[in-house]
Formats: sequence, structure tokens, C-alpha cells
Amino acid sequence: GAVVSQHPSWVICKSGTSVKIECRSLDFQATTMFWYRQFPKQSLMLMATSNEGSKATYEQGVEKDKFLINHASLTLSTLTVTSAHPEDSSFYICSARDSGRNQPQHFGDGTRLSIL
Amino acid sequence: AQSVTQPDIHITVSEGASLELRCNYSYGATPYLFWYVQSPGQGLQLLLKYFSGDTLVQGIKGFEAEFKRSQSSFNLRKPSVHWSDAAEYFCAVSITGGGNKLTFGTGTQLKVEL
Repeated sequence: GAVVSQHPSWVICKSGTSVKIECRSLDFQATTMFWYRQFPKQSLMLMATSNEGSKATYEQGVEKDKFLINHASLTLSTLTVTSAHPEDSSFYICSARDSGRNQPQHFGDGTRLSIL
Repeated sequence: AQSVTQPDIHITVSEGASLELRCNYSYGATPYLFWYVQSPGQGLQLLLKYFSGDTLVQGIKGFEAEFKRSQSSFNLRKPSVHWSDAAEYFCAVSITGGGNKLTFGTGTQLKVEL
């Protein structure tokens, strides 16, 4: 159980393009989803917390107009990187957490984003 | 703010040998503690978690971890390592009232020699 699906797994696009990444909880309802960014050989950095039906909460230093997050249902959150530039190239990972006490985060397999 | 330290950036062990990965946290109270494993180019898989109760926690793939309050530690152990255990291991904490946000350590890269 507790499977999180992230799509696409790899995307290459031109500078200036907007890219949408989907994160789905397949077998549970996720009231909260999280978006992380990971640079090569580094740890995960939390970008934002996404709550179903409300605006996302962004971490300090993360541009909310650059990284648009939508959590329209209990099983789907999307991250859109708008007008992507080469410095946005990174590994983006989502996680989802079931409701209730003491529920851990379950992670998707990540999206490798390469901006040319 | 809470923080997590994984002192060992790289560890190399022989297949069949025992393993211990260190994790120390800094927080005024007992946080929720987790160990995740990441294979190259993939997301994170939860190995085990500690919320309360028995301080020795059993996880998947033969891993266990022991919470030691006096040392603010949550070290991960495995009695006999398999070549397939080679991966990056992350310790993470979350705190009550922290919005369930995880704070990750910097990770430990495990290499297994055959």
C-alpha cells in the first residue's frame, strides 16, 4: 500500500517552456502533499506544502509565481515550473501523507527536469 | 529549529558484514524519526519510523533502528548487508505541530564490496 506515482519521470525542454509535474496517491487519500527539490549528491530541500483545497505554503526563498502548485483533489497535486530556465534543472520529488495521526510521508519516484 | 546530522558521507562495507549508519538530531523534545533509502535516480522508500513506544524499531529489508534519547540518536543497523543495499540513506525528523514537514540529514552513501 501507500503508493505515490509521479509523472513524468524525465522531461527535457527548451528554455522558456512551462512544465507540469503530476503527483498522485494511488491507494490512499492525501490531505497533504509536499514538493522537494534535490540537487546532485545533496539532500532534499522542501519547496512547498500542498493542502487539498487551499493555497500551498512555500518555504522561504521559493518563488511561488515560478513554481505553481495545485492540489485540486485528495489524490492529485501538480507542480508547474513556469518559464523554465537552465537553473531550474533539477530532480523534483513529491511526497504524500495520509490523514490521521503518525502517518509518514510516501514518496514518488521523482522527475528529472532538464532545461536546454 | 530542529536539525539532523549524518556524520558519515560515505560508508563502504563488504557483503555479509554488519552495518550501522549514524543519525543525530537536535530538538528540544522527542521528534518523530524516520529512515529512508534512495536508489540512483529514484524517489525515497521508507525503511522504518519511530513515533513512540519501543525504542528498537524493525523495518523492511532486515533493517532496524534504535532510538536513544540520552544520545539524541537514531542509528540504523543491519546484521548482514547485501549488495542490493547499496544506495543513499537519509535520516529525517518531523516535530509535533510542525505541519508534518520533514527535515532531512545530508545522507550517507553506502557502497557494498562483493
